[in-house]
Amino acid sequence: NAGVMQNPRHLVRRRGQEARLRCSPMKGHSHVYWYRQLPEEGLKFMVYLQKENIIDESGMPKERFSAEFPKEGPSILRIQQVVRGDSAAYFCASSPKSSMNTEAFFGQGTRLTVV
Amino acid sequence: GENVEQHPSTLSVQEGDSAVIKCTYSDSASNYFPWYKQELGKRPQLIIDIRSNVGEKKDQRIAVTLNKTAKHFSLHITETQPEDSAVYFCAAWTGGGNKLTFGTGTQLKVEL
Repeated sequence: NAGVMQNPRHLVRRRGQEARLRCSPMKGHSHVYWYRQLPEEGLKFMVYLQKENIIDESGMPKERFSAEFPKEGPSILRIQQVVRGDSAAYFCASSPKSSMNTEAFFGQGTRLTVV
Repeated sequence: GENVEQHPSTLSVQEGDSAVIKCTYSDSASNYFPWYKQELGKRPQLIIDIRSNVGEKKDQRIAVTLNKTAKHFSLHITETQPEDSAVYFCAAWTGGGNKLTFGTGTQLKVEL
């Protein structure tokens, strides 16, 4: 079991460009969560997805950010027209079921730097 | 509410001493409380968890206690070692199970 896989590990974008972050959940996991971590801060929930469905996007900024988890392939977090304030580590986690009683495991994260 | 509060924000102990980190939560429906350890530049790693049907769980030098009535839970690390130095996050499932809400983290430093 390869664990939660995220790529790229590091991503540099110029202001105004688009950033695409990918997350493949653990085998057998169909629930994906995206978190953002600013330098020396905590983990802030962004969005929760199941295959082909966004379940909870209460933590997503209203503009420029979107997420998807297609039937085939990884989950994608997309940031359009990036700004310097988007620089952060973006972590993906997965769990095997929707429950308030289940473990969640994190990927290595993508460190986005906007220059 | 879906808040998880964590204290202290920083904790410095001498090697061999014990460390205690405390968290409170507000969502009464929460019933699973994991603790994650994050080393600098790395992913959060699950180190121990507790479910609401037990009051205490121990794994070698790490233990977690839960008081569901008071809505607080704590992490206890005994015989601390330098490799225990990291940021520790508590968490609780909130929002009907839609999200793990994290505490603000505790920077633990174990000094020689």
